[in-house]
Parts: sequence; structure tokens; C-alpha cells
Amino acid sequence: GENVEQHPSTLSVQEGDSAVIKCTYSDSASNYFPWYKQELGKGPQLIIDIRSNVGEKKDQRIAVTLNKTAKHFSLHITETQPEDSAVYFCAASRSGGGADGLTFGKGTHLIIQP
Amino acid sequence: NAGVTQTPKFQVLKTGQSMTLQCAQDMNHNSMYWYRQDPGMGLRLIYYSASEGTTDKGEVPNGYNVSRLNKREFSLRLESAAPSQTSVYFCASSEHRGYGYTFGSGTRLTVV
Repeated sequence: GENVEQHPSTLSVQEGDSAVIKCTYSDSASNYFPWYKQELGKGPQLIIDIRSNVGEKKDQRIAVTLNKTAKHFSLHITETQPEDSAVYFCAASRSGGGADGLTFGKGTHLIIQP
Repeated sequence: NAGVTQTPKFQVLKTGQSMTLQCAQDMNHNSMYWYRQDPGMGLRLIYYSASEGTTDKGEVPNGYNVSRLNKREFSLRLESAAPSQTSVYFCASSEHRGYGYTFGSGTRLTVV
């Protein structure tokens, strides 16, 4: 089955700086890569996703890049703000869903220092 | 628009007791999922239902059973709770399997 590795597990950045979280996946058939943000005491919330026919996608201060050859994808947050502090999860799946649907990374705790 | 609703939010069980976690979605989604979240382990799939009337095992199904009651509701049952089942449980739904999950707010379960 699919295996998703996520790094780093904890990331601390100064407010206003950029943050980058990286994930690798093992199944070359995976073609959908979402990112979720989880705030304390809440469920994960989808913030951005990308499909394998696209190399980059942006939405205001967040962007995701995908390198299919290397099987890795990254989340970029620019001009970080205190409300960006949360746990971020990457995930991967195949269209039509493999048996497991989405496979998640273990998460990155992003801390924005004032 | 409630999205995905889970009940209860918190529960304490004694070892050996049974309980059912309830999940309902109002988005007319076809697929529903149960995950558990443990520190340092991320989200692990317990069971999923690709469509009404079907259920399948995920990565960690032992000790659990599920029922897809109708298109809206997907319940998770612990027949004989064990301390290893202490976790936060999340239900999710999606229109198509593997895409665009919407998560509930979770049930924090402690087994003593």
C-alpha cells in the first residue's frame, strides 16, 4: 500500500517568515495530494489540494508543489501569521480510490513565533 | 450547514465495556470513513464505506465493527474496549472515495 513520509515533525518560524513542509510518497499510481490543517481540539480541515497533472497550485498565502518524478510534494506558507499555528497533514490517494482511500503523513506541528 | 457530526465528543469506558460512536453527514456524500489519531502516529484508517451498503477494513480494523445505516450515517462499535483503543476518533465523508474529505470534530475516548 501507499506510504507517506512527512518532515519536519515540528517547525518553528518567526511571524512574517515563510514555512515549508515536505512529503514523499511511495505509490507511483497516486495522483491526488491534499493538505489538511488541524487546530487544537478540532478535526482536520482541507486547505489546498493538487492533482498529478498540475505541478503547482496557489491560493493566497499558501501553495503546493508536486514533483512526480521524485514522488514528493510540498506545502509553502508565505507571510506567516499567528493563526497559521496548527498541525498540518499531507496525504495521497489514487483516483477511484485504492483500497485505503487517503493515506496521511504523521503531521507537522507549525509554531509561529511572535 | 452542519457537515459531519460526531457523538459523543468525550467518553470514558472501563476495559471490557462496549459502545458505539455515531457519525452523520448532511452533504449527500457517498463515501464515509473512520480514523483514529494517536500522538506521533498521524491518522490511521479503521474502516471505510465507499457507498451505501458496503464496508471495508482499513489499516487498523481489529477490535472494531462498523455499520453504514443509510447514506447519511456510519457508526463505529467497540465490542469489548481495551486500553489500546484510547484515542481520538474522527469520522469523515467525501463525495468520491479518496477525494476532498470533510472531517467531524472528533470523539476523545479513554479506556481505563
